[in-house]
Amino acid sequence: AQSVAQPEDQVNVAEGNPLTVKCTYSVSGNPYLFWYVQYPNRGLQFLLKYITGDNLVKGSYGFEAEFNKSQTSFHLKKPSALVSDSALYFCAVRDASNTGKLIFGQGTTLQVKP
Amino acid sequence: SAVISQKPSRDICQRGTSLTIQCQVDSQVTMMFWYRQQPGQSLTLIATANQGSEATYESGFVIDKFPISRPNLTFSTLTVSNMSPEDSSIYLCSALEGNTEAFFGQGTRLTVV
Repeated sequence: AQSVAQPEDQVNVAEGNPLTVKCTYSVSGNPYLFWYVQYPNRGLQFLLKYITGDNLVKGSYGFEAEFNKSQTSFHLKKPSALVSDSALYFCAVRDASNTGKLIFGQGTTLQVKP
Repeated sequence: SAVISQKPSRDICQRGTSLTIQCQVDSQVTMMFWYRQQPGQSLTLIATANQGSEATYESGFVIDKFPISRPNLTFSTLTVSNMSPEDSSIYLCSALEGNTEAFFGQGTRLTVV
């Protein structure tokens, strides 16, 4: 069965410091991986994706993620956090049956303090 | 990227009633989905909305409780029927075209009292 794990319920960082939000996955075949962000009272906004190609993927708002096949991880990173980055982050993997369905991790709340 | 409009954005409903949520995409899309996000939880897929045919429901979700329509490639509705407080959630519409990322509406925050 396919699954996504986000081991941290919450990540706290100081503004200006680098941030990492962790994600590991379990899929059959090649994974299609995504990161989304949810601000309070808002829907999900797409940040970045890995389908194929370079393992380091750059996305919106200065975020990037590194696909690591051997560790089955897809951690979200940003070199310098902003207070406005504080939100709920979801890692997701597309269902291997190619139906387009997404399987989400449980989410990680990022808190950036000034 | 597709823009998805979802309405209502929020509602407070009496138990036993039904609410229909509308999802409009600004371009034709191959696939549309409905997800539920219970308070403090992640997103769970309810069903895939199939154009011109019955939706495909995930385990734990049934058509009688969550009837879905998709009359064309840009529009879908989800009805939450015979509501109970346990149905209080955020319901999100999603659309996908080809081998791309899925986009989401802003969600409908439903409170059942």
